[in-house]
Amino acid sequence: SAVISQKPSRDICQRGTSLTIQCQVDSQVTMMFWYRQQPGQSLTLIATANQGSEATYESGFVIDKFPISRPNLTFSTLTVSNMSPEDSSIYLCSGGDLEQYFGPGTRLTVT
Amino acid sequence: DQQVKQNSPSLSVQEGRISILNCDYTNSMFDYFLWYKKYPAEGPTFLISISSIKDKNEDGRFTVFLNKSAKHLSLHIVPSQPGDSAVYFCAATSNTGKLIFGQGTTLQVKP
Repeated sequence: SAVISQKPSRDICQRGTSLTIQCQVDSQVTMMFWYRQQPGQSLTLIATANQGSEATYESGFVIDKFPISRPNLTFSTLTVSNMSPEDSSIYLCSGGDLEQYFGPGTRLTVT
Repeated sequence: DQQVKQNSPSLSVQEGRISILNCDYTNSMFDYFLWYKKYPAEGPTFLISISSIKDKNEDGRFTVFLNKSAKHLSLHIVPSQPGDSAVYFCAATSNTGKLIFGQGTTLQVKP
């Protein structure tokens, strides 16, 4: 298993600003992903964080809005850019091999 | 297109009885299935998984059954305990590692 931490745990941001979320895994993992859980909904995959190369985004998500970095096998960041109230969600990172382990999430509120 | 479906939004059972949570999928490329438990304000916690080459996997009080021909899986919790009260998500993946989640089922175990 892997233990995953995220920072910040929550934030309230103003429209038009950006927030960078950090994800740290306690061991090297093959794969890391970023998900979003909007209020009352399930988890939706945003992108695969690829180590040392550009992230792979799912349909409906673009790099300009959600730039992702993964400089090594234990760390990744997700930036939510030019935020609007519709970006208010819980953002979760996961890491692992076949079984993915999740961080506690970052609860983002955009006003 | 919802590739993974949990048709029961909620389930209520008495402590000590069996809880059965169901999940259906449509994509025949999925070959690995997972169940997660999620408490409010926390990330999903991995519970149990099953490969498509198996039809049953057991871990303590938790058993997952897979019926590939019906594209259906279920999670059995026996005996149910009040601490099991949470939202349960099933998820499916192919060899990409990307998880596709169902909508979740809220389980309430009454003392």
